[in-house]
Amino acid sequence: GENVEQHPSTLSVQEGDSAVIKCTYSDSASNYFPWYKQELGKRPQLIIDIRSNVGEKKDQRIAVTLNKTAKHFSLHITETQPEDSAVYFCAASHKAAGNKLTFGGGTRVLVKP
Amino acid sequence: DAGVIQSPRHEVTEMGQEVTLRCKPISGHDYLFWYRQTMMRGLELLIYFNNNVPIDDSGMPEDRFSAKMPNASFSTLKIQPSEPRDSAVYFCASSFKTGGFNYGYTFGSGTRLTVV
Repeated sequence: GENVEQHPSTLSVQEGDSAVIKCTYSDSASNYFPWYKQELGKRPQLIIDIRSNVGEKKDQRIAVTLNKTAKHFSLHITETQPEDSAVYFCAASHKAAGNKLTFGGGTRVLVKP
Repeated sequence: DAGVIQSPRHEVTEMGQEVTLRCKPISGHDYLFWYRQTMMRGLELLIYFNNNVPIDDSGMPEDRFSAKMPNASFSTLKIQPSEPRDSAVYFCASSFKTGGFNYGYTFGSGTRLTVV
């Protein structure tokens, strides 16, 4: 089955700096790659996603890039703010497994004021 | 839409007792997923349904766990008997699929289960 690796596991950045989280996946058939943000005690919430037919997508301060050849995708957060502090999860959907998402292990991001 | 609704939000039970978690997916979503989240193991998929039919239950840890989806608007996850190691946050999520892609994958607020 699909395996998703996520790095780093923790990330501390100064407010205003950029944060980058990287994920690799194992199954070349995966075609959907969402990113979720989970604040303490709350549900994971979708913040951005990318599909296999595009290489990059941007939404205000966040962007995601996808390299299907290398089987990795990344989340970029620019001009970080304290409210960006949370755990971020990447995921991949295995095409032959319906809508089943396999999640990475998560990255705890701390934005220091 | 009220989103994915889970109940109860918190459950504390004694070891050996039966626990039932409930989930109402978003109307129109034809996929429903049960996840378990712990610090040690992260987000684990337990089982998922498509059009009320269980598709993949390979993540269910053992026979003490069972899940049902009697109709498109309701699903349960049951643990019988419960054990302390079952303590975790259990999330339900729903989505729909069209054109080969996923849409609307949304999590409920979760049930925090503590087995003492």
